[in-house]
Amino acid sequence: ELKVEQNPLFLSMQEGKNYTIYCNYSTTSDRLYWYRQDPGKSLESLFVLLSNGAVKQEGRLMASLDTKARLSTLHITAAVHDLSATYFCAVGHPSGSARQLTFGSGTQLTVLP
Amino acid sequence: NAGVTQTPKFRVLKTGQSMTLLCAQDMNHEYMYWYRQDPGMGLRLIHYSVGEGTTAKGEVPDGYNVSRLKKQNFLLGLESAAPSQTSVYFCASQRARRTYEQYFGPGTRLTVT
Repeated sequence: ELKVEQNPLFLSMQEGKNYTIYCNYSTTSDRLYWYRQDPGKSLESLFVLLSNGAVKQEGRLMASLDTKARLSTLHITAAVHDLSATYFCAVGHPSGSARQLTFGSGTQLTVLP
Repeated sequence: NAGVTQTPKFRVLKTGQSMTLLCAQDMNHEYMYWYRQDPGMGLRLIHYSVGEGTTAKGEVPDGYNVSRLKKQNFLLGLESAAPSQTSVYFCASQRARRTYEQYFGPGTRLTVT
């Protein structure tokens, strides 16, 4: 059974600071996704990571994937208030025919002025 | 291009009542999914479909049924609602490649009393 663990679950940080959210998963997978969810809203796709060593950046967010360690990170650089949201990682099931994703519990990020 | 839409946005049911949630997408996506999201948790897959006329069970299928009679629509039914089914329900769609991201609808907030 594929398990996905995110930490921390809650993160409160000052504007301008850097921090990293971690996503660990239990079995081999070939794809990992990061999503953002604002309160009461739907999920917005941030990054799709498909290979070991993949790194993608968008603004103040950078995601990376280490398939050997079964670990993905979402790094926040010089946080701003607009980044306050819940961030989810989701891992694709290893079966060749399955399309399922298993989501982590989410990291609720609050950026304080 | 509306993307993924869900009907209704909110609903309150009494225990034992039935209802159907409608998901529609206009992106010509092959794959469609129904998830539920409970407080403090990530999304859990209820059922999914890889094409018109096909459906499959996800992680938490009990108490739900689905149908995909048309490619653009995916219906989720609750035959006899229970308080444990109080949740926010998200529909998602995806192009017919495992590595593409899923696009989510705005969600349906369901309360069963």
